[in-house]
Amino acid sequence: SQKIEQNSEALNIQEGKTATLTCNYTNYSPAYLQWYRQDPGRGPVFLLLIRENEKEKRKERLKVTFDTTLKQSLFHITASQPADSATYLCALAEDSWGKLQFGAGTQVVVTP
Amino acid sequence: GAVVSQHPSRVICKSGTSVKIECRSLDFQATTMFWYRQFPKQSLMLMATSNEGSKATYEQGVEKDKFLINHASLTLSTLTVTSAHPEDSSFYICSARDLAGYSSTDTQYFGPGTRLTVL
Repeated sequence: SQKIEQNSEALNIQEGKTATLTCNYTNYSPAYLQWYRQDPGRGPVFLLLIRENEKEKRKERLKVTFDTTLKQSLFHITASQPADSATYLCALAEDSWGKLQFGAGTQVVVTP
Repeated sequence: GAVVSQHPSRVICKSGTSVKIECRSLDFQATTMFWYRQFPKQSLMLMATSNEGSKATYEQGVEKDKFLINHASLTLSTLTVTSAHPEDSSFYICSARDLAGYSSTDTQYFGPGTRLTVL
């Protein structure tokens, strides 16, 4: 199975700045990669999906890049707001059937 | 958007008893549902894949006789933790794929989770 690495240290940033999170994987290239947001005591909420043949995806203030050569995805939150404070999880799908493997997540704290 | 519910949200039980957790897709049909477990500060670990009308597929190391999964309809899957012990205390989360989701959106919708505490 994959080893998925996300920064374990919390990312503290000031409101208005851009938060950049990293997701690295070690083995096969996944069919697609997803980013989720998880608040304490809640289930994950889907944010973005990027496929292996895509380089970049955007959704409002969110941007995801996918580099299969580096085996890395970057997740950006631009113009961050305190409401963006949460843990962000990356998840890799081995194939299109949907079985996901999750990273441990990176906590983001946005201060006013 | 698609909504997945779980019931109960929290449950406390005595060691040795069984607990049933329900996962429902409220506004879409899900041929496939997934059950995850999450310990504090750790990632979600897939326990099993539940397909409507067939037996669940369990991940390595997950005891199928301890974690009974039933997916009797396109909108309901249940996870029963049998003879629960304190080490089973965890956050259990289900997810569901839209029936039309295969190769289209590949999006999973997650439930809010169930906090199980075994005394």
